[in-house]
Amino acid sequence: NAGVTQTPKFQVLKTGQSMTLQCAQDMNHEYMSWYRQDPGMGLRLIHYSVGAGITDQGEVPNGYNVSRSTTEDFPLRLLSAAPSQTSVYFCASTLRTGEAFFGQGTRLTVV
Amino acid sequence: EDQVTQSPEALRLQEGESSSLNCSYTVSGLRGLFWYRQDPGKGPEFLFTLYSAGEEKEKERLKATLTKKESFLHITAPKPEDSATYLCAVQADSWGKLQFGAGTQVVVTP
Repeated sequence: NAGVTQTPKFQVLKTGQSMTLQCAQDMNHEYMSWYRQDPGMGLRLIHYSVGAGITDQGEVPNGYNVSRSTTEDFPLRLLSAAPSQTSVYFCASTLRTGEAFFGQGTRLTVV
Repeated sequence: EDQVTQSPEALRLQEGESSSLNCSYTVSGLRGLFWYRQDPGKGPEFLFTLYSAGEEKEKERLKATLTKKESFLHITAPKPEDSATYLCAVQADSWGKLQFGAGTQVVVTP
């Protein structure tokens, strides 16, 4: 059982480049979310989705786009990468009772 | 504004030395409080959900409790494999949204 799968695991981008972080879950959860984790700051919510076709902003949405065309997939797009977006990104899918299951993360460096 | 504060930031324990981690929160309409464990280079791993004041959950050497303003994660007779960062999170207005504390890094030495 794969759970939540994120790709790639590591990425280096140049300032101004765009890219998409992939996230897929095989647990048929309605809720999915993207977080970023920076040293000393815990995880912060970027965007989340309560079902296919429905997305909303979290705490730190600027510079990121999401879409949810299927229950399984929730990609995160960086429109024009900036050094401030250097971080570790985690995707999560969530049960109706609130428990979230996280992927292994994508470590992104913007130079 | 909702806030989640964890203390201490770091904790170093001898094997067998019990201790507690604190998570204090201010949130309107708490739906649930969650504890996660995170190992280096990995995603957070779910431990416990607490829904109402007075509730307690246990798993091996870990016990989580909840009051109206804070939660404690008690580690009884820890072993080196309990070394990890422990994260507390709350859910308020939507099941898809978690607000995390900064975490407590626990190191247990033999």
